[in-house]
Amino acid sequence: DVKVTQSSRYLVKRTGEKVFLECVQDMDHENMFWYRQDPGLGLRLIYFSYDVKMKEKGDIPEGYSVSREKKERFSLILESASTNQTSMYLCASSLLGLAGSTGELFFGEGSRLTVL
Amino acid sequence: AQSVAQPEDQVNVAEGNPLTVKCTYSVSGNPYLFWYVQYPNRGLQFLLKYITGDNLVKGSYGFEAEFNKSQTSFHLKKPSALVSDSALYFCAVSSRISNDYKLSFGAGTTVTVRA
Repeated sequence: DVKVTQSSRYLVKRTGEKVFLECVQDMDHENMFWYRQDPGLGLRLIYFSYDVKMKEKGDIPEGYSVSREKKERFSLILESASTNQTSMYLCASSLLGLAGSTGELFFGEGSRLTVL
Repeated sequence: AQSVAQPEDQVNVAEGNPLTVKCTYSVSGNPYLFWYVQYPNRGLQFLLKYITGDNLVKGSYGFEAEFNKSQTSFHLKKPSALVSDSALYFCAVSSRISNDYKLSFGAGTTVTVRA
């Protein structure tokens, strides 16, 4: 079965702390994504990656960075957490967008981050 | 730029009645369209997608959706709703002419099915 695993379901951090959110997929997918989900705003794309060591900014990259050292792992980093980064963070993966791939995303269970 | 609108924040129906969740989209070129469902404190689960071909797409759990190019809509439907269909539903779009296959999501519609 397809599996995207996010290491932490619930985190509570203090303002200014560095936060790491880890995501691992076992489907050998090229694409990986980080979204944040907020009520009334839906899902907003933070960063995505097409391949190891490459990354692209999404719609709301400010305050975040990412790392992809291995194909199966995509990490989201909050260098200095702030209260407005309290949110649900969703990791997803998909096959590379070649012919025959339609970009369907497979999601992890989410990481709910609270910054105090 | 691509975008999705889900005009209803909430949809309430009685069990056994038809369920419709509305979605309209804006995208350059022809779209790929998706519906996802989210149960409380869970990730998103794929329901169905439209890529090409028949405008009526059938998916998981008895759901279907109809692609209407002239109205740029992709409404989700279920002929007879169940209490267990109560969840948050997201419509998403990506552009076929884009090489990155990024999905843009709507704000979501909360469906409540009462017994």
